[in-house]
Amino acid sequence: SAVISQKPSRDICQRGTSLTIQCQVDSQVTMMFWYRQQPGQSLTLIATANQGSEATYESGFVIDKFPISRPNLTFSTLTVSNMSPEDSSIYLCSVVGRETQYFGPGTRLLVL
Amino acid sequence: GNSVTQMEGPVTLSEEAFLTINCTYTATGYPSLFWYVQYPGEGLQLLLKATKADDKGSNKGFEATYRKETTSFHLEKGSVQVSDSAVYFCALVPSYNTDKLIFGTGTRLQVFP
Repeated sequence: SAVISQKPSRDICQRGTSLTIQCQVDSQVTMMFWYRQQPGQSLTLIATANQGSEATYESGFVIDKFPISRPNLTFSTLTVSNMSPEDSSIYLCSVVGRETQYFGPGTRLLVL
Repeated sequence: GNSVTQMEGPVTLSEEAFLTINCTYTATGYPSLFWYVQYPGEGLQLLLKATKADDKGSNKGFEATYRKETTSFHLEKGSVQVSDSAVYFCALVPSYNTDKLIFGTGTRLQVFP
């Protein structure tokens, strides 16, 4: 199994600002994913981040709004840019393991 | 397209009660099916899974059977405990893509002593 940590665990931000979320894995992994869980909604995949290449975004998500970095095989960041209250969500990173995906504890974001 | 539908919560039960959380899916081909659990303050954890029709996944007293004829994967437990209080997510991975999980909305379970 993989152990995943995220920073920050939660934050309250003002609209128009940006927040960068960090995801650290205790082992080297090829694929990392970023999900969003809006209040009362299911988890939605934002993008797939592979080391050494640009992230692949799902429909409805764009790089200008959610830039992603993947500098090595154990770390990734997701930035939520120019935030609005609609961005208030839990953001989770995950990695593919042997039998399933493993998830971080999530970053709870509230935008005022 | 591919989607997962779960019963809405919260589900409130007394300890030792029988639990059923309904999950149905829409998918092309033969997806793999999962139940994930999220305990308060923790990340998502895989609870159980089934990869083909009629498979039964089980773990920690929970069970779910992959029913292709009814496109369902209902989660059951014979006797719940207070420690089972959590949010439960049904999910699938399409047969054509082994990595992209598609989640249901989650069902919050509250068990009281």
